[in-house]
Amino acid sequence: AQTVTQSQPEMSVQEAETVTLSCTYDTSESDYYLFWYKQPPSRQMILVIRQEAYKQQNATENRFSVNFQKAAKSFSLKISDSQLGDAAMYFCASLGGRRGGGADGLTFGKGTHLIIQP
Amino acid sequence: DSGVTQTPKHLITATGQRVTLRCSPRSGDLSVYWYQQSLDQGLQFLIQYYNGEERAKGNILERFSAQQFPDLHSELNLSSLELGDSALYFCASSVETGSGNTIYFGEGSWLTVV
Repeated sequence: AQTVTQSQPEMSVQEAETVTLSCTYDTSESDYYLFWYKQPPSRQMILVIRQEAYKQQNATENRFSVNFQKAAKSFSLKISDSQLGDAAMYFCASLGGRRGGGADGLTFGKGTHLIIQP
Repeated sequence: DSGVTQTPKHLITATGQRVTLRCSPRSGDLSVYWYQQSLDQGLQFLIQYYNGEERAKGNILERFSAQQFPDLHSELNLSSLELGDSALYFCASSVETGSGNTIYFGEGSWLTVV
């Protein structure tokens, strides 16, 4: 079984500043994948970034990057130059196994509500 | 637009009734997943199908069932509905590649049981 913990229910950041959202996970899988999803008020789940556990290099997507610490089972998301449109719930998730699926599918944390202050 | 299509977007029904939620995955995706998002339970994995076969089962109630058809679309059937079944139901799809899965979500179906 996998567990994902997001310890920050809510974060606030000034527009144009940088913010880091924390996530820790636990898994017995040797091969797994980690994700950050964004859920704006529309409730759509939008993939932000993806990390393969076997890759040491941290994933980046434009203003979004991760700090993946495999030994510590930590997977934080850094948002640079925060914009008003970044305001949303952010969910960290894990997926076990090279072929995905398994007993748990995607396991989600409880989310962090990100507020952008203009 | 993720390419995953769900219908209906909103549905209001009475307790005890049965509803069917429909999902069309992204073109080329063989895996379909169903998730439930409620206020108190967060995001819960229900079930996964891969190319028509059940691949994995999560916290899906016995009153719920799903299937994936030969054209790869999927349906989630919810029966004997209770007030607590009110939630946002997501379908997601992925194509399994050698480098693993990326899972894309539809916009969800809002179910309100009254």
